[in-house]
Order: sequence, then C-alpha cells, then structure tokens
Amino acid sequence: KAGVTQTPRYLIKTRGQQVTLSCSPISGHRSVSWYQQTPGQGLQFLFEYFSETQRNKGNFPGRFSGRQFSNSRSEMNVSTLELGDSALYLCASSTMTVSSGNTIYFGEGSWLTVV
Amino acid sequence: TQLLEQSPQFLSIQEGENLTVYCNSSSVFSSLQWYRQEPGEGPVLLVTVVTGGEVKKLKRLTFQFGDARKDSSLHITAAQPGDTGLYLCAGFGNEKLTFGTGTRLTIIP
Repeated sequence: KAGVTQTPRYLIKTRGQQVTLSCSPISGHRSVSWYQQTPGQGLQFLFEYFSETQRNKGNFPGRFSGRQFSNSRSEMNVSTLELGDSALYLCASSTMTVSSGNTIYFGEGSWLTVV
Repeated sequence: TQLLEQSPQFLSIQEGENLTVYCNSSSVFSSLQWYRQEPGEGPVLLVTVVTGGEVKKLKRLTFQFGDARKDSSLHITAAQPGDTGLYLCAGFGNEKLTFGTGTRLTIIP
C-alpha cells in the first residue's frame, strides 16, 4: 500500500513569508504527527492530530499550527518565517494515537529553506 | 522536559567490526524505540522494547532496554556498509514520542 506522502518535497521561502506543508497518511491511518528535524536540535515533536483533533503539542511558538481534515490528510502552517525555521519537516501516520504505542510510519519529509 | 542523549554522536568504523550505541535519560519511559534514517528518507522503525531489562535481536542488531527503563543500547555485530545511517532512539512518555540526539554511523568497506 502507498506510504505517507508529503508535499512539497523541497521549497525555498523568504523571511517573513508563510508556508503550508501537506501530509497524506497511509490509508486507514487516523493519527498524523509532525516533527521538525535540524542538525542542531535533532528531531523534535511539533503536534499530533487524531480524528481532526489536536491531541498533543510540542514546545514550539504559536507561528506553528496545523490541522487535520475528515479524510485524515493534514497540513501544517508556519507563519512569519525565520531563518531558524529552515529544517526537514517530517510527517508520520499511525492507525491509533502515538501514545497507544502503535507503529508510526514516516514520510520522506519536506525540506524547507528560509532565506 | 524529557531528554534522550545518544552517544557517540558520530561513529566511523571498518566493515566487520562491532559497535555499541547508547541512549540515556534521567526520565523513565513506558517503552523505547530505535529507528534508522537514511539520507533523503524518513526514519524507519527497527524495534520497540517495553519491559525493563528486555533484550531483542534483529539479525546482527541487539537492542537492550535498561532495568529502570531510562536507558537503552544498540549493539551491531560484524557491521556492514548497509548499516550506515542515522540511528535514533525514541521514548514514549507524556503521550508523545521524544527522540534522542542521534548517532550518525558510517561503515567503511
């Protein structure tokens, strides 16, 4: 079956702009979680959505937001981009919530560069 | 805040050698996972350990969860070039997954 699909794969934005990243989970998966990966901070949890509701949120400023649609597809948005937002943004999906311990499957990520 | 420190951060060894990667925390986790990430791809789950003291083997890889469920180790026997990648531990706690700092492993043919 198809894996987790993230779009776009690569993008370049200017400071102050906003960006929206999309994630299509594996069919039948209802949980989508987002992570930011940078060389300095590693892989950090952003937020998790399950059945269109935000279940949990990491320690990121309010500029980072997300949502999930009824078909489980999810988007994350970063407003007023800063240079430090340059990172690989990873989406992961699972049948149940992350806290249930079910296996999560990652997409290939969206590479964001802020200039 | 739960933190997971991995050591070493970088490791480069010859094919055929053995190695151990460590994942340590001051926090207790209900379970711990190990992932491998290759360039241009997302992390892929290797194993989940749940019980303190648990040992799991996956071919040449041996994973151990500490008795107190605060630490874990990954041992690779007779490393091969295909083992090259970024290894990440991740602990379940507070309803979320916290990832370790990562160990970048390079196996030299």
